[in-house]
Amino acid sequence: DGGITQSPKYLFRKEGQNVTLSCEQNLNHDAMYWYRQDPGQGLRLIYYSQIVNDFQKGDIAEGYSVSREKKESFPLTVTSAQKNPTAFYLCASRFSANYGYTFGSGTRLTVV
Amino acid sequence: AQSVTQLGSHVSVSEGALVLLRCNYSSSVPPYLFWYVQYPNQGLQLLLKYTSAATLVKGINGFEAEFKKSETSFHLTKPSAHMSDAAEYFCAVSGGSNYKLTFGKGTLLTVNP
Repeated sequence: DGGITQSPKYLFRKEGQNVTLSCEQNLNHDAMYWYRQDPGQGLRLIYYSQIVNDFQKGDIAEGYSVSREKKESFPLTVTSAQKNPTAFYLCASRFSANYGYTFGSGTRLTVV
Repeated sequence: AQSVTQLGSHVSVSEGALVLLRCNYSSSVPPYLFWYVQYPNQGLQLLLKYTSAATLVKGINGFEAEFKKSETSFHLTKPSAHMSDAAEYFCAVSGGSNYKLTFGKGTLLTVNP
């Protein structure tokens, strides 16, 4: 079945460490997105990519980095520069404007 | 620029009662509008979408929403709540050249027996 796979589901990181969250899709979607979700704040856009080898900053890109070397993959790195990284991270992809997004099941990152 | 306002961060209804979740949007271009549902520790699932066809949109699980341009609203309704409807609901708007989705802050629906 087609879909988006995020791994791992739970991730623990020590302060000062970088960590990479995986997002893979087999839907043949061109556009992919990373959102951060905090209680009561909805979803905030971190980065997005509309084609391979191209990506743009979203509303809260500071302390994060991405790459898009393959159409299927859009990994997110949470760097030590991110001051408050504990959150639920969601990856999504889109086929076209009127289809909405397909979401992965999320990764919950906790800094310990 | 586009934005979404969901009125009420928490709505509580009795099982069998009407569900009404409110969403107002602003968009400088004709919008696409979406409702998503999220269960705890899961991703978001598309409930329904408006893409400039019929203004009354039917979705999954008995939900529907009506696009009212004059009121810039896209409220979500369900005639009779079920316990399994308890979840968080997000309204989203898409428009402009890159069609990014902008989400509201969400409404947590509680269904009481």
